Amino acid sequence: DGGITQSPKYLFRKEGQNVTLSCEQNLNHDAMYWYRQDPGQGLRLIYYSQIVNDFQKGDIAEGYSVSREKKESFPLTVTSAQKNPTAFYLCATTPRDRAIGTEAFFGQGTRLTVV
Amino acid sequence: AQSVTQPDIHITVSEGASLELRCNYSYGATPYLFWYVQSPGQGLQLLLKYFSGDTLVQGIKGFEAEFKRSQSSFNLRKPSVHWSDAADYFCAVGIPGGGNKLTFGTGTQLKVEL
Repeated sequence: DGGITQSPKYLFRKEGQNVTLSCEQNLNHDAMYWYRQDPGQGLRLIYYSQIVNDFQKGDIAEGYSVSREKKESFPLTVTSAQKNPTAFYLCATTPRDRAIGTEAFFGQGTRLTVV
Repeated sequence: AQSVTQPDIHITVSEGASLELRCNYSYGATPYLFWYVQSPGQGLQLLLKYFSGDTLVQGIKGFEAEFKRSQSSFNLRKPSVHWSDAADYFCAVGIPGGGNKLTFGTGTQLKVEL
């Protein structure tokens, strides 16, 4: 089945450690996005990538890094510089940037907890 | 910059009752408008979307939404709620030519009383 796979579903990290969240898609979509979700705050955009080897900061990029070496993959690294990393992280894709009539497709999310 | 307001944080309705979830946006022109639903611990599923044309949009699971330009609103409705509709609902806007990035509201949690 075509879809977006986020792994792991649950992730625990000690303070001061970097951790990488995986997002893989087989929808052949060009654009990929990382959102952070906190209770009562909706979803906020961290980073997005429109094509391979290119990405842009979203609204809350500080303390995060990404790479886009393959069309199918857009991993997110939560660094030790992120002061409050405990959250639910969602990966999304859209078929093509600037195309009219496209909606975002979402993965099932990764819940990160700092212990 | 665009923004989205969902004024109701929590809504409780009885099964079989009608439902309306409110969404207001701030943007200088007509944005792309979406409603998503999220079950606990899950990703988001698209219910419906509006880009242009008919202002009354039909979606999945019996939902519909109406775009009202004069009120900058895109309210979600369902004539008869089912217990399985209990979830979090998010309104989102996208800007034409803005790279398909979405701005989300803070969501409305729907509870359904049996």
